[in-house]
Amino acid sequence: GAGVSQSPRYKVAKRGQDVALRCDPISGHVSLFWYQQALGQGPEFLTYFQNEAQLDKSGLPSDRFFAERPEGSVSTLKIQRTQQEDSAVYLCASSSTRLAGPTQYFGPGTRLLVL
Amino acid sequence: GQQLNQSPQSMFIQEGEDVSMNCTSSSIFNTWLWYKQDPGEGPVLLIALYKAGELTSNGRLTAQFGITRKDSFLNISASIPSDVGIYFCAGQWTGNQFYFGTGTSLTVIP
Repeated sequence: GAGVSQSPRYKVAKRGQDVALRCDPISGHVSLFWYQQALGQGPEFLTYFQNEAQLDKSGLPSDRFFAERPEGSVSTLKIQRTQQEDSAVYLCASSSTRLAGPTQYFGPGTRLLVL
Repeated sequence: GQQLNQSPQSMFIQEGEDVSMNCTSSSIFNTWLWYKQDPGEGPVLLIALYKAGELTSNGRLTAQFGITRKDSFLNISASIPSDVGIYFCAGQWTGNQFYFGTGTSLTVIP
């Protein structure tokens, strides 16, 4: 497909487990963003990559959250020792521009539930 | 993180009616965006605004960038059932972060 894809679409984890969420951006897109969307809220910025470089990680809520994009395409968001407050939809978006312009294309998200 | 305030929180309207929703912030922004999100999907960009006072249309949608740069509104004319969804505003000052609003849930009754 031509859009941003994310996997898994749903993830249930027991408290304390580690999880890894994958994002496949649109081919050739330079910029990649991760957002966290709590139930009934708007997306909140987590981190931003330009190619393989993580230029902004100011939105990551704790050091349990880690993101990487080693080859400048696929990205993985890892959450260690998950807590119940980590339950949310995690959205990935990509953009063809180097600057964080408005033309971000969002994936469908991964819905994480921590029990 | 910073969240923008959207109103109303939810709307129930009859098909064919016009809709108006707005978004306010305590901070000024250089860019205002409006997105629509369907259940189980990511947000889709509807309109982008780049200048204070700018009025932009996209089909039945019209949005304005407030002159104070702290607010924006979105109008939908002649609503149809597929307009159902959650509408988010988002603002950008500089840098890489977009700040999203709390969302307006729209229900269109056929």
